[in-house]
Amino acid sequence: EVQLVESGGGLVQPGGSLKLSCAASGFTFSGSAMHWVRQASGKGLEWVGRIGSKGNDYATAYAASVKGRFTISRDDSENTACLQMNSLKTEDTAVYYCTSVVVVAAASRFAFDLWGQGTMVTVSS
Amino acid sequence: QSVLTQPPSVSAAPGQKVTISCSGSSSNIGNNYVSWYQQLPGTAPKLLIYDHNKRPSGIPDRFSGSKSDTSATLGITGLQTGDEADYYCGAWDSSLSGLVFGGGTKLTVL
Repeated sequence: EVQLVESGGGLVQPGGSLKLSCAASGFTFSGSAMHWVRQASGKGLEWVGRIGSKGNDYATAYAASVKGRFTISRDDSENTACLQMNSLKTEDTAVYYCTSVVVVAAASRFAFDLWGQGTMVTVSS
Repeated sequence: QSVLTQPPSVSAAPGQKVTISCSGSSSNIGNNYVSWYQQLPGTAPKLLIYDHNKRPSGIPDRFSGSKSDTSATLGITGLQTGDEADYYCGAWDSSLSGLVFGGGTKLTVL
């Protein structure tokens, strides 16, 4: 089955750290860029960042709101992408989704046709 | 405030047609592809439209997309109660070097 499964969410204090994982199956993970998108309760979608494939030198890019605090990595041997979140703020509280372009033959590199179920991150004292 | 501007809500009766607008600029919609997503309550977003006007396999042709200059539009015909959801547009922004989304539009099928 083609799927993404996130894990690692939970409650963390402001200033703390948390690492999310995204396990992929059913498609050629190594050839796919992986993105993270978050959604605060009752709010819209916010792109967090992405990591490219080996063919793109594992290039990373981040939203301004998380740059310098969050790091995306991947392990192609384990079909897993990770989001390391440091110096967490209350405004980072959200459901975090990993997502990718898997099936559609899109010209756009951002037509996300596969999403995980999301994992909740709560930053609170 | 979102980089892409969508109306907060739209509504229409079952069987009718509705359009949802997404307004941007030359740095995003004007020069990059637009995607549209449907998010049912409590679920992950689902890709409805990509590359401005293409539908993934399994998405009915009741859903359509178009783009003109720096704006994009999602159209839904033959509305069904199951279409009640939040809809988001998204596009790469070359100036911000990041993916941007609209604030979302809540569709109510009366």
